[in-house]
Amino acid sequence: SQKIEQNSEALNIQEGKTATLTCNYTNYSPAYLQWYRQDPGRGPVFLLLIRENEKEKRKERLKVTFDTTLKQSLFHITASQPADSATYLCALSNAGNNRKLIWGLGTSLAVNP
Amino acid sequence: GAVVSQHPSWVICKSGTSVKIECRSLDFQATTMFWYRQFPKQSLMLMATSNEGSKATYEQGVEKDKFLINHASLTLSTLTVTSAHPEDSSFYICSAIWYRAGETDTQYFGPGTRLTVL
Repeated sequence: SQKIEQNSEALNIQEGKTATLTCNYTNYSPAYLQWYRQDPGRGPVFLLLIRENEKEKRKERLKVTFDTTLKQSLFHITASQPADSATYLCALSNAGNNRKLIWGLGTSLAVNP
Repeated sequence: GAVVSQHPSWVICKSGTSVKIECRSLDFQATTMFWYRQFPKQSLMLMATSNEGSKATYEQGVEKDKFLINHASLTLSTLTVTSAHPEDSSFYICSAIWYRAGETDTQYFGPGTRLTVL
């Protein structure tokens, strides 16, 4: 069955450093991969979408890579700030139904001042 | 742009009663909305896809008679949990597709509704 794995343990980093989060998947060939941020008791907030034919995408301090050979996406936050502390979710969808998302459990990030 | 609201943000009800949750797209029209449920420490689980003017499509294992979905307009979808029981207590989140020509569909999420059934 389709499976998405994100770092299960919380990630703690120092302010100003780069946070790197991982999303691995198996038994799936996604056409799109998305990253969302979720704060406690809130709905997810869309951050970035990357297509299968794209290697990398950037938005301000965020960078996402997508390696369909490794079946992995890396999500980077550069110059991290305490306000970046949240849970980050990875979601995949395929070309046949790009609206139906398969979700990872998320990785909790804590940026310490 | 792309703001989605939900109401109420939290609700507590007695077992056996029904609860209605509203999802609105505030600054765009959404022909398609989704309803998710999220239990603590678990991933979002899609419950159903709501299409304006037609019946909702439910995921396997979701009882359509228990979770009634109505998408009466391009900006409003409602989820009614009928005869709620304590096991229905969860965080319910809706999302709406903001369709833009030439862009990949992106889901924008509401803030969620915390349902507690006593």
